[in-house]
Amino acid sequence: DADVTQTPRNRITKTGKRIMLECSQTKGHDRMYWYRQDPGLGLRLIYYSFDVKDINKGEISDGYSVSRQAQAKFSLSLESAIPNQTALYFCATSDSRQGALADTQYFGPGTRLTVL
Amino acid sequence: AQKVTQAQTEISVVEKEDVTLDCVYETRDTTYYLFWYKQPPSGELVFLIRRNSFDEQNEISGRYSWNFQKSTSSFNFTITASQVVDSAVYFCALSGFNNDMRFGAGTRLTVKP
Repeated sequence: DADVTQTPRNRITKTGKRIMLECSQTKGHDRMYWYRQDPGLGLRLIYYSFDVKDINKGEISDGYSVSRQAQAKFSLSLESAIPNQTALYFCATSDSRQGALADTQYFGPGTRLTVL
Repeated sequence: AQKVTQAQTEISVVEKEDVTLDCVYETRDTTYYLFWYKQPPSGELVFLIRRNSFDEQNEISGRYSWNFQKSTSSFNFTITASQVVDSAVYFCALSGFNNDMRFGAGTRLTVKP
């Protein structure tokens, strides 16, 4: 089984709808992240969480919210989706205690979201 | 502010050629980490290497090698004797003091048989 899973893998929705993307990990990592990928722009950080009680805004948090329900689960919500939120969304995890590889981020398979 | 620039948008080579992917970064942090990731056509992101700012030793892993030069703020990636399976988008990334990772825009490498 994959260490970092994302659901759904694909989603098409309409403008104004509320959408939740979920991320689960079995790696035992303490830190989790949400990114979006747009063509030509690389990945941009939306939110990150260093533990269950610690949530931080990333480079592009407007229009998004997150919830860290447990160490292994980190969900991303779009309260009212708009077409320019159409993108590929990645969840990532890292372990702050991993010695030489501390805070190396490992990515889930991605969720392709289309907002019509 | 942190910034990563990958000036090469696309590179096309013929199999067995050597190819270097450039990465230039900007940061005010004295401690930072640099990464390379590979995104094959299947879409997943594969971790390749992590380098901290205090370790300027070059690294070689099979056909892959990395050249880190603090003096020019560069962290370049070379693939020797490229293969078709190396075709992917490659991302350079920088993580600083607050662990806020910034990615470059990526370089799409196409290796033709």
